[in-house]
Amino acid sequence: DGGITQSPKYLFRKEGQNVTLSCEQNLNHDAMYWYRQDPGQGLRLIYYSQIVNDFQKGDIAEGYSVSREKKESFPLTVTSAQKNPTAFYLCASSMGMSPEAFFGQGTRLTVV
Amino acid sequence: ELKVEQNPLFLSMQEGKNYTIYCNYSTTSDRLYWYRQDPGKSLESLFVLLSNGAVKQEGRLMASLDTKARLSTLHITAAVHDLSATYFCAVTSNNNNDMRFGAGTRLTVKP
Repeated sequence: DGGITQSPKYLFRKEGQNVTLSCEQNLNHDAMYWYRQDPGQGLRLIYYSQIVNDFQKGDIAEGYSVSREKKESFPLTVTSAQKNPTAFYLCASSMGMSPEAFFGQGTRLTVV
Repeated sequence: ELKVEQNPLFLSMQEGKNYTIYCNYSTTSDRLYWYRQDPGKSLESLFVLLSNGAVKQEGRLMASLDTKARLSTLHITAAVHDLSATYFCAVTSNNNNDMRFGAGTRLTVKP
């Protein structure tokens, strides 16, 4: 079945470590997005990509990095420069044959 | 810069009552989305609205779009407890493809 898959579901990071969150879609979507959600809050845009090998910063890109080497994949690296990374991270994709945008199940990152 | 404002942020309703959630956005847009989020879960797509005057309905929820006013509404009819969740609107701008969200409306339906 077509869909968008995030992994892992839960991730623990020690202070000072970089970690990478995976996002894969088989919907043939051109655009992919990463959002951060803090408890009781809305979604804030970290990075987005409209096509392969191109991406743009969102509102809170500092301390994060991304790559888009393949259409299907848009991994997010949370670097040690991100001082408060504990949050729920959501990946989305859109711009296929349908106008809908779909979300993965999310990765809950905790700094220990 | 595209900004999206939603109100109210919190909504407590009695079962059987009607209410409307509002979503305003700041620049021209080609797509407006409504999502539902249950606690600890991801977002579930409810509606995509593409053109001025678009109206979509699914069960007790109806969404509409006025692109001239840059306003979308999500109307809840005869609320039931199962509708308790947080509802988000999101907008993509015409210029690029960034998708930005409102702050969300946390809906609680009480018996």
